[in-house]
Amino acid sequence: DAKTTQPNSMESNEEEPVHLPCNHSTISGTDYIHWYRQLPSQGPEYVIHGLTSNVNNRMASLAIAEDRKSSTLILHRATLRDAAVYYCILSESYTDKLIFGTGTRLQVFP
Amino acid sequence: GAVVSQHPSWVICKSGTSVKIECRSLDFQATTMFWYRQFPKQSLMLMATSNEGSKATYEQGVEKDKFLINHASLTLSTLTVTSAHPEDSSFYICSARDLTGEVNSPLHFGNGTRLTVT
Repeated sequence: DAKTTQPNSMESNEEEPVHLPCNHSTISGTDYIHWYRQLPSQGPEYVIHGLTSNVNNRMASLAIAEDRKSSTLILHRATLRDAAVYYCILSESYTDKLIFGTGTRLQVFP
Repeated sequence: GAVVSQHPSWVICKSGTSVKIECRSLDFQATTMFWYRQFPKQSLMLMATSNEGSKATYEQGVEKDKFLINHASLTLSTLTVTSAHPEDSSFYICSARDLTGEVNSPLHFGNGTRLTVT
């Protein structure tokens, strides 16, 4: 399985933008980049995913580097409810399972 | 949005007994469901892929006779932890993908079942 590398933790203040980085230097041409987040004692929640182009939805934006070896999840205005562990996952096109890495624990301060 | 329901949300059982956890997709159908396990302060570990109408596919190192998976319909998969021991205490999470979606469409996760074996 292709691997991703994320910082263990990040901090932000409420209402500020947050940029969560992810490195995936061994990504193949057909791997999708997925982001999920997990709040304490809950199952993960889908955030966003993309292949090559930048993506936007109501929760976040995903910026994908031109060489696809890294990506950044952007939360435009962090709220206290965004405090969670954020997972960047590569999904191989020929299989539909997701293998989770260690993720980034985001703390948001009021 | 798509909802996956897990039951029970928590369970305490005695060592040596078996526990069944249900995972239901409430508003979509899924030919494939996934079972994960998560220990405290760790990431999710994929245990097995549950396939409707056929045998589950287990990840390396996961005992299939210990963790019995049944996917009897397009909306229900069950995980039975047989002869549970304290080291099986963990947070078990299921997920599913709408069968009408693409291979890389989002997975929908249940809220997990916390198993404590005494």
